[in-house]
Amino acid sequence: DAGITQSPRHKVTETGTPVTLRCHQTENHRYMYWYRQDPGHGLRLIHYSYGVKDTDKGEVSDGYSVSRSKTEDFLLTLESATSSQTSVYFCAISEGRINSRQPQHFGDGTRLSIL
Amino acid sequence: SQQGEEDPQALSIQEGENATMNCSYKTSINNLQWYRQNSGRGLVHLILIRSNEREKHSGRLRVTLDTSKKSSSLLITASRAADTASYFCATPVSGNTGKLIFGQGTTLQVKP
Repeated sequence: DAGITQSPRHKVTETGTPVTLRCHQTENHRYMYWYRQDPGHGLRLIHYSYGVKDTDKGEVSDGYSVSRSKTEDFLLTLESATSSQTSVYFCAISEGRINSRQPQHFGDGTRLSIL
Repeated sequence: SQQGEEDPQALSIQEGENATMNCSYKTSINNLQWYRQNSGRGLVHLILIRSNEREKHSGRLRVTLDTSKKSSSLLITASRAADTASYFCATPVSGNTGKLIFGQGTTLQVKP
């Protein structure tokens, strides 16, 4: 299994509170991604990173920010959590070879509930 | 919007039977990937097929790709209860970002 650790694995919090999810990798892969998975919507990309301090938005980035100060860590922050952000969040990594012909490797997810 | 759409959404079969899942996509691609997700776990990469390949095998998995129809199929032969999972196809976004767009998946139940 690829060395990807997500923390926490489960979190329950209240509307309006800040939340930070952490993804840690030991593979030294260049690319890191944050997805959310919801019934009826599948897996949707929130933000991704293509190197240290290099990040860009995905298709559902509103309400989320990210930071990557080291190759191994990619943080996802909900500045002021809302109930619509209740979801399962997955981190993924890939080596970033040309032509996108490489797989992504996923962590086991963080189940976030916002009450 | 989702690039890949899987069909059927759910499939239930007996152990030993074959399972076929289909994926359709909208734009030109240079590869298509299939992933499996067990309940409560992250996605696991199964197989990648390039646009110049028509068929690829990996163990009990057989993937086909028809670029003229913009479709792919995943066949699992001699299914086992352990194959119970959701299966997703994914296609790359143009450019060298490594980004993928995932379909909504097919949920497969294999009954012992």
